Amino acid sequence: DQQVKQNSPSLSVQEGRISILNCDYTNSMFDYFLWYKKYPAEGPTFLISISSIKDKNEDGRFTVFLNKSAKHLSLHIVPSQPGDSAVYFCAASANNFNKFYFGSGTKLNVKP
Amino acid sequence: EAQVTQNPRYLITVTGKKLTVTCSQNMNHEYMSWYRQDPGLGLRQIYYSMNVEVTDKGDVPEGYKVSRKEKRNFPLILESPSPNQTSLYFCASSIFPPGTGLTSTGELFFGEGSRLTVL
Repeated sequence: DQQVKQNSPSLSVQEGRISILNCDYTNSMFDYFLWYKKYPAEGPTFLISISSIKDKNEDGRFTVFLNKSAKHLSLHIVPSQPGDSAVYFCAASANNFNKFYFGSGTKLNVKP
Repeated sequence: EAQVTQNPRYLITVTGKKLTVTCSQNMNHEYMSWYRQDPGLGLRQIYYSMNVEVTDKGDVPEGYKVSRKEKRNFPLILESPSPNQTSLYFCASSIFPPGTGLTSTGELFFGEGSRLTVL
């Protein structure tokens, strides 16, 4: 049973608009969340993270929002660029878990 | 350059023929892990290692073995590969084990992946 879920396998947005990628989790013990970005034929690379003591973390065009009561996090990309086209994975962990739990990924396509 | 290196990148093999996928990191990371990526299932952890000679099972360890004799290397061994092990494999490392987000970023550094096909 997947503890981290990304229910949208794909998302298509126009260049310059906002991209919103969603992630839900079931384990209330999770207190650290990350987003990874993956291009074809490459390994995932770290994008942004958030700990449960915050509800928002921003890094340039990327912002992650955490709603603990809903067990939901989202990644906002503003403005979206064609180079953002990739698969995005969310991941979660907790103290002493010694592992990350990953979602199934959302493929983002940003159209010029 | 800081990196995680996997070999081979691509491999086609037959059922039952033992193979090893090597993984090496040059960042002096204590934590290393293997994942497999399958459509619709995302990244699932196979095995992980907290340090030299310390390894433990992840979510899908059946059919795999690992060893951690040196800090930099963490090979994945398929003793008798089967078609259901056809997948894209990633090795990853981090300075701290996941779950220490309150004191460090703790993100994983991934290799470029090894695509394995078992016929």
